[in-house]
Amino acid sequence: GNSVTQMEGPVTLSEEAFLTINCTYTATGYPSLFWYVQYPGEGLQLLLKATKADDKGSNKGFEATYRKETTSFHLEKGSVQVSDSAVYFCALTFPGGGNKLTFGTGTQLKVEL
Amino acid sequence: SQTIHQWPATLVQPVGSPLSLECTVEGTSNPNLYWYRQAAGRGLQLLFYSVGIGQISSEVPQNLSASRPQDRQFILSSKKLLLSDSGFYLCAWATGMGEQYFGPGTRLTVT
Repeated sequence: GNSVTQMEGPVTLSEEAFLTINCTYTATGYPSLFWYVQYPGEGLQLLLKATKADDKGSNKGFEATYRKETTSFHLEKGSVQVSDSAVYFCALTFPGGGNKLTFGTGTQLKVEL
Repeated sequence: SQTIHQWPATLVQPVGSPLSLECTVEGTSNPNLYWYRQAAGRGLQLLFYSVGIGQISSEVPQNLSASRPQDRQFILSSKKLLLSDSGFYLCAWATGMGEQYFGPGTRLTVT
């Protein structure tokens, strides 16, 4: 079956540090890939997406590139802020049918002053 | 634009009591709809999804049920709550391209 593996958290960084959250996937075929963010007490928000190999998704300074050869979709940001503190989920789906998402377990990011 | 609503936002219920959580979507037609549960500090567990009125697929056997009485309404129910039903319940809808958009969630505490 399909699966998504994320790095264990929490990840603690100082403000303005560089962020990488690793995500790798296992799937038959070429899924669409997503990053979601969840702020405390809230639902998930779609952060960015990529639908085919070598696509780069970007939003709010975050980027992730769909790497077919390494089955990865690592999330990066050049300079994090305290307001980026949240839980980040990597996910995949195959469009069509039930459009079910397969989620990773989430990575908590804490950004300190 | 599309919006998704959930209510109530928080709920405290005793063990053995019934449950009804509601989710409605505005601004789209015939969406796929989903119910997830998130236990404290854990990932998301897909409970049910629906591709149309009256069509419900269950992902996890449990004492919960779901119904879709209208195109943009999705209801999660239980006849008798268990302590293990406590958690954060999230409703979502999906576009044709597979991306899902989530509601604000309902925090359920079973005492």
